[in-house]
Amino acid sequence: AQRVTQPEKLLSVFKGAPVELKCNYSYSGSPELFWYVQYSRQRLQLLLRHISRESIKGFTADLNKGETSFHLKKPFAQEEDSAMYYCAPQLEYGNKLVFGAGTILRVKS
Amino acid sequence: NAGVTQTPKFRILKIGQSMTLQCTQDMNHNYMYWYRQDPGMGLKLIYYSVGAGITDKGEVPNGYNVSRSTTEDFPLRLELAAPSQTSVYFCASSYRGGVTNQPQHFGDGTRLSIL
Repeated sequence: AQRVTQPEKLLSVFKGAPVELKCNYSYSGSPELFWYVQYSRQRLQLLLRHISRESIKGFTADLNKGETSFHLKKPFAQEEDSAMYYCAPQLEYGNKLVFGAGTILRVKS
Repeated sequence: NAGVTQTPKFRILKIGQSMTLQCTQDMNHNYMYWYRQDPGMGLKLIYYSVGAGITDKGEVPNGYNVSRSTTEDFPLRLELAAPSQTSVYFCASSYRGGVTNQPQHFGDGTRLSIL
């Protein structure tokens, strides 16, 4: 069955500390992988996608096909990074997304 | 462009009532989606549409209906509201094109309570 696991409901770090939000997926085929973010009082928005191989707001994500993981990383957390983060593989037909339960990131000063 | 617009933002219904959640997008996207998000859970796909006149069930379609008569609009209908349908509902749209999957664009959500 298709499944996405984000093991941490809440991740709390201090400003300037490294951040890693974990994501593991169970999927057949080779899905496109995304991270979406929802800041307080804002709508859900795209943070980054694997195929772009770009860094957005200092975040990067490495796809490990052997471990079926797509962890999100940032070397130095900022207070403005506090938000809910969702890992989401995408199916080809209809661009459907399968969402993990999400991880709340809290960056403390 | 407004992007994806959902109305209403909040609604309280009594058990057994019906209502329609409205969703419209002005980006000329082919694909549209409805999700629900329960507390502590990720978003679950209710229904989706790959174009006008075409709709398909997602993971949790029971108790809901949709239609897609135009490219812009994708309303979600609750016929007999039940407490289990208390949730936050998100509409999204996506462009079909290019060699890779396109990201989805989301509305602000509708918070629905069934009492």
